[in-house]
Amino acid sequence: DIQMTQSPSSLSASVGDRVTITCRASQNIRTYLNWYQQKPGKAPKLLIYGVSSLHSGVPSRFSGSGSGTDFTLTISSLQPEDFATYYCQQSYSTPLTFGGGTKVEIK
Amino acid sequence: QVQLVESGGGVVQPGRSLRLSCVASGFTFSSYAMHWVRQAPGKGLEWVATLSYDGNTKYYADSVKGRLTISRDNSKNTLFLQMDSLRAEDTALYYCAKNYGGNSLFCDYWGQGTLVTVSS
Repeated sequence: DIQMTQSPSSLSASVGDRVTITCRASQNIRTYLNWYQQKPGKAPKLLIYGVSSLHSGVPSRFSGSGSGTDFTLTISSLQPEDFATYYCQQSYSTPLTFGGGTKVEIK
Repeated sequence: QVQLVESGGGVVQPGRSLRLSCVASGFTFSSYAMHWVRQAPGKGLEWVATLSYDGNTKYYADSVKGRLTISRDNSKNTLFLQMDSLRAEDTALYYCAKNYGGNSLFCDYWGQGTLVTVSS
């Protein structure tokens, strides 16, 4: 199975900050990497697929990069509605696996 | 717009069974693979199973293989998860999710989930 490791597990940031979350795969997953956002009590939402493609309606302040085993999600200027937990997921092979999540909190 | 509405959750004793349903609308259900993903209380996301658009290809997490069965009725736009031999570790919020499309294996839309609690 492919293990997905996110870092940090949590972070505190202020509105307007640039935030970067890292996701590492235990083996090469090429560009089969996706990011989700989950707010408390809500279902996850797809943010980015295929490393860097924004899902419909996702603001352009979100971006993704990487390939192989190392990937990043960047929020260029954190907004109040961005405080949430973010998960990466590999879609290279089954079993599909998620990272442990990164909780973005208000500083 | 895409809507996915899960139902069937509840409190069940260990070893018993439960059947979850997910009714889909707003897209051509019979053209897309579908997923079940679960989230234990206070924990992260765990993929459970995936079913191809035609029901012929199924993938399962090892933790549920042989106990949980994914199926669909395309005439009723409904996805199912038959849960047998339930264990305490199956306690979670179960989400139904639509596959993005083609040969992809990720979820572009999610339901709100249905809670399964396995407890004596």
